[in-house]
Amino acid sequence: DAGVIQSPRHEVTEMGQEVTLRCKPISGHNSLFWYRQTMMRGLELLIYFNNNVPIDDSGMPEDRFSAKMPNASFSTLKIQPSEPRDSAVYFCASSLIPGIDSGANVLTFGAGSRLTVL
Amino acid sequence: GDSVTQMEGPVTLSEEACLTINCTYTATGYPSLFWYVQYPGEGLQLLLKATKADDKGSNKGFEATYRKETTSFHLEKGSVQVSDSAVYFCALSDRGNTPLVFGKGTRLSVIA
Repeated sequence: DAGVIQSPRHEVTEMGQEVTLRCKPISGHNSLFWYRQTMMRGLELLIYFNNNVPIDDSGMPEDRFSAKMPNASFSTLKIQPSEPRDSAVYFCASSLIPGIDSGANVLTFGAGSRLTVL
Repeated sequence: GDSVTQMEGPVTLSEEACLTINCTYTATGYPSLFWYVQYPGEGLQLLLKATKADDKGSNKGFEATYRKETTSFHLEKGSVQVSDSAVYFCALSDRGNTPLVFGKGTRLSVIA
């Protein structure tokens, strides 16, 4: 398996533009997570899906952020309109949903999408 | 809510020095504990994990022991190499499908 695939790896855009980040999880994984990493706040969970259904989006900072998972092999994170404070590295991660009595899920991360909003 | 506190970096060591990165946690349940590593320009990778008290996770010469009595999961390595230079994240997850909660990360630089 090629791992979790994210695109684009780098994105530079101007304030007010729409940004779409894409993620292809590992085949067979049924849980998908979007994280944001900044120097100030570290790693923040934005949203996660189980079986393509959003479970918790309380980490999404504002209505400008939205995420979708139309099928098991694809997810998008959209920012519209973008602002300079959205500049960060956005990571997608996937895992198998563990059984109730099994250990917690082990995440596999993509390489990240570095977003710069000017 | 659940949280992870790890020592702030950066940590700079000479090659072959001993490494300890402290990590303590707060959790309402009985969590699983993890160390992830992030090399420059890459995503996070699982380094090791432990799922119950007194378990020791180990990988690539790194070790961490799940200490329930002190709510700690300190990362140790007896002899670091330049290639260990990276950011290390401590994380926890309660049983079941709850997302990982990460510490802020500790940057390690190893110089030859």
